[in-house]
Amino acid sequence: DAGVTQSPTHLIKTRGQHVTLRCSPISGHKSVSWYQQVLGQGPQFIFQYYEKEERGRGNFPDRFSARQFPNYSSELNVNALLLGDSALYLCASSYSPPSGGAGETQYFGPGTRLLVL
Amino acid sequence: EDKVVQSPLSLVVHEGDTVTLNCSYEVTNFRSLLWYKQEKKAPTFLFMLTSSGIEKKSGRLSSILDKKELSSILNITATQTGDSAIYLCAVGTSYGKLTFGQGTILTVHP
Repeated sequence: DAGVTQSPTHLIKTRGQHVTLRCSPISGHKSVSWYQQVLGQGPQFIFQYYEKEERGRGNFPDRFSARQFPNYSSELNVNALLLGDSALYLCASSYSPPSGGAGETQYFGPGTRLLVL
Repeated sequence: EDKVVQSPLSLVVHEGDTVTLNCSYEVTNFRSLLWYKQEKKAPTFLFMLTSSGIEKKSGRLSSILDKKELSSILNITATQTGDSAIYLCAVGTSYGKLTFGQGTILTVHP
């Protein structure tokens, strides 16, 4: 079975531009979460979506937005890019929303490396 | 604010050594503690712990959760060069948010 897939793998943008990152969850998984990982740090939570509804949002500015589609894939959008947005953006999928048990385990994709110049 | 702290931040050992990685947490609405291994990009799932005192094992790796001490350890026995990676500890809270520690960089020399 295919794991979580993300596109593109790498991206170079300039300050002020916007970017759209895409994620396809593991087949059968209905929950998608997005994380930002800056070099040398652990991933930081940005959003979680379940059944197309936003379930949680981390401490990120409104320049960051996301959505989930009927097929459970997801997009992360970042507007007005800043140099500090340069990071690895990780998508994770899980079978269920937080309801207890192994269904909550989040499996990560390979990430999109974003460089803002 | 939820917080997860890992120690040590980095560790250098030789093949065959046993290592213990530590994770402590302060969060509201604890649901689970997870360990991941990150080599190049995608963190790879290792363990999910929800109950205190029950050891989970997979080959040379094992982990246990202590809810009283708000901590967990990850043990790796008979280390191999392929174990070299960043080990991430994460705590899951009420709406599925994972709060990660900064990671432990493990380097295993031949």
